[in-house]
Amino acid sequence: DQQVKQNSPSLSVQEGRISILNCDYTNSMFDYFLWYKKYPAEGPTFLISISSIKDKNEDGRFTVFLNKSAKHLSLHIVPSQPGDSAVYFCAASGSGGGSNYKLTFGKGTLLTVNP
Amino acid sequence: GEEVAQTPKHLVRGEGQKAKLYCAPIKGHSYVFWYQQVLKNEFKFLISFQNENVFDETGMPKERFSAKCLPNSPCSLEIQATKLEDSAVYFCASSLLLAPRMVYGYTFGSGTRLTVV
Repeated sequence: DQQVKQNSPSLSVQEGRISILNCDYTNSMFDYFLWYKKYPAEGPTFLISISSIKDKNEDGRFTVFLNKSAKHLSLHIVPSQPGDSAVYFCAASGSGGGSNYKLTFGKGTLLTVNP
Repeated sequence: GEEVAQTPKHLVRGEGQKAKLYCAPIKGHSYVFWYQQVLKNEFKFLISFQNENVFDETGMPKERFSAKCLPNSPCSLEIQATKLEDSAVYFCASSLLLAPRMVYGYTFGSGTRLTVV
């Protein structure tokens, strides 16, 4: 059962426009959400995160929005740059004991930013 | 150092052979995690350590996989009698905290690509 879902395997945008990457989750014990960026042959690198007590977190060109009632989060990149082309993974972590603490990942979305 | 170092980068093994992967976590990080990524799909959790102690091994295939984190040595993930289905990229991550919070997300290594032929 996939607890973190990224339903768009790929997304293509023009340089300078907005990129919106979406993520849905099913586990209500998740209370911390992260986006990781991954280039080929490299490990994922942390991009931005958000706690469930917030609905928005911004860092430069990157903004993450969280809609807890819909169990949905999104990553906005404005403006998009060719160097942003990578696979973006949504990940979630929870509290409340058991194995919820560990990062659970979605399958990723390949973002291509065209010059 | 400030990076998680994984070796080797690539490993090719014949079916039935043993494979051993290494991970040097960031100094000062108490937690180490191993993930398996098959065919560029989602990351499957294998095992976590708190220092040299196994914290959670719920993701480990019971029979052929084992892992250790010994003091003053890189952590290791060993697969006995590899199978074709073990072909994947194995990522190690380390963290100050058990659960990622605030800026303390997991820091990942660049992975070891295991190919079983």
